[in-house]
This record gives sequence, structure tokens and C-alpha cells, in this order.
Amino acid sequence: GENVEQHPSTLSVQEGDSAVIKCTYSDSASNYFPWYKQELGKRPQLIIDIRSNVGEKKDQRIAVTLNKTAKHFSLHITETQPEDSAVYFCAALSWAAGNKLTFGGGTRVLVKP
Amino acid sequence: EAQVTQNPRYLITVTGKKLTVTCSQNMNHEYMSWYRQDPGLGLRQIYYSMNVEVTDKGDVPEGYKVSRKEKRNFPLILESPSPNQTSLYFCASSSFRESNYGYTFGSGTRLTVV
Repeated sequence: GENVEQHPSTLSVQEGDSAVIKCTYSDSASNYFPWYKQELGKRPQLIIDIRSNVGEKKDQRIAVTLNKTAKHFSLHITETQPEDSAVYFCAALSWAAGNKLTFGGGTRVLVKP
Repeated sequence: EAQVTQNPRYLITVTGKKLTVTCSQNMNHEYMSWYRQDPGLGLRQIYYSMNVEVTDKGDVPEGYKVSRKEKRNFPLILESPSPNQTSLYFCASSSFRESNYGYTFGSGTRLTVV
């Protein structure tokens, strides 16, 4: 089955700096890669996603890149703000595996004012 | 409002006392799934369902049951809860037909088994 690894597990950045989280996946059949943000005690919320036929996608201060050959994808947050502090999860989905979403272990991001 | 509704939000129970956590979605999604979230282990899939009367095991199904008698509901059943099932549980749904495969999550159920 799919295995998703996520690094780093914790990330501390100064407000205004950029944050980068990296994930690798194992199943070459995976074709959809979402990122979720989870604030303390709340549900995971989808913040951005990318499909396997796209190399990069941007939405305001967040962007995701995908390298299918190397089987890795990354989340980039620019101009970080205190409200970006949360746990971020990457995930990979394979249509062939019955729409199962496999999550990485999560990255706790702390943005220091 | 499109949503996934879980109940209860919090539950404290004793070992061995059967319980059910309900999950309902109003988006006509075919796919529904249960995850448990534990510190350091991320989100792990318990069971999933691709449509009515179609369910299958995820990565950590032991000690759980599910049913999918109606498209909108996907309850999680713990026949004999044990302390190692203390966790935060999320129900999620998605569609195969929409332009994206994004999951919508419920608010979560924090279960404590003593």
C-alpha cells in the first residue's frame, strides 16, 4: 500500500519568513495530493491540492510543487503570519486503490511574532 | 450548508460497553471513511465505504465495525471498547464525480475509554 513520509515534524519560523514542508510517497499510482491544515482541537481543513498532471499550483501565500519522477511534493508558505501556526498534513490518494487517502505524519508549524 | 456531521463530540465510556459514533453527510457523496488520530501517529484509516452496502477495512480495523445502509450515514461501532481505542475520531466523505477528490471531514469525536 501507499506510504507517505513528511518532514520536518516540527518547524519554527519567524513571522514574515517562508516555511517549507516536504513529503514523499511510494505508490506511483497516486494521482492526487492534498494538503490539510489542522488547528488545535479542530478538523483537518483542505488548504490546497494538486493533481499528478500538474507540476505546481499557487493560491495567494501558499503553493505546492509536485515531482512525479522523484515521488515527492512540497508545501510552501510565504510571508508567514501567526495564524499560520497549526499542524499541516500532506496526503496522497490513488484512484486505483479505491480513493483511499493516506496521510503523512504531520508537521507542527509555529510562527513566532 | 454542505457538511459532515458527527455525534457525539465527546464521549467517556467504560471498557466493554458498546457504543456507536454516528456520521452523516448531506453532499450525496459516494465515499465515506473513518480515521483515528493519535499523537505521533497521524491519521490512520479504520474503515471505508465506496457506496451503499459496500464497506472495507482500512489500516487499523481491529475492534471496530461499520455499516452503510444509506448513502448519507456511516456509523462507527465499537462492540467492546478498550482503553487502546481512546482517540480522536474523524469521519470524512468525498465524491468520485466532482472535479476534485477532496475529503470533507466531520468535527471529530474525542473518545475516552476507561
